[in-house]
Amino acid sequence: GAGVSQSPRYKVAKRGQDVALRCDPISGHVSLFWYQQALGQGPEFLTYFQNEAQLDKSGLPSDRFFAERPEGSVSTLKIQRTQQEDSAVYLCASSFYGRLYEQYFGPGTRLTVT
Amino acid sequence: DAKTTQPNSMESNEEEPVHLPCNHSTISGTDYIHWYRQLPSQGPEYVIHGLTSNVNNRMASLAIAEDRKSSTLILHRATLRDAAVYYCILRRQGAQKLVFGQGTRLTINP
Repeated sequence: GAGVSQSPRYKVAKRGQDVALRCDPISGHVSLFWYQQALGQGPEFLTYFQNEAQLDKSGLPSDRFFAERPEGSVSTLKIQRTQQEDSAVYLCASSFYGRLYEQYFGPGTRLTVT
Repeated sequence: DAKTTQPNSMESNEEEPVHLPCNHSTISGTDYIHWYRQLPSQGPEYVIHGLTSNVNNRMASLAIAEDRKSSTLILHRATLRDAAVYYCILRRQGAQKLVFGQGTRLTINP
């Protein structure tokens, strides 16, 4: 079946621009996560949704980062006024509620801020 | 979050078993041990998880020490496709997020 999809796969933004990254989770997956992965590092947690409710946003690095999942399916991660340190791969993952041990990851969006 | 320690890199040969170690000396009683792997240019992929007993699935086996302060992921017969970064992660019961470390980069020689 279809896995988690993310778009765009690559994004180049000039410093100061706003970007929006989209995640389509696996159908029926209640839980959705965003992670940020810097080059050569492991992924770092950003935020977690259960259906449309954002239950944990403790990992968002600043108030320039905003995530939403208004209808409990597709999610968007928005970064305002991008800075060079935002350059990373942004990964989305989804899972069945109650099976949080098995998160299904998308291929990621590689963001490069110039 | 309890910390895990893994070797930075390991190398093995195709069709041989691979034992990937992980130390987690500060593990608590409600911490589950998870293994994920990340192939080049892909998102991480769930491999296996366990609490106290050894676990087997179609991908791998997880051997957990009796004191739970260490564990070993076992790939029984490595293929070139198993070349990846392997992450050992502790997740407290009820917690949602995964806390990744640096992982072990596994190289498989043909």
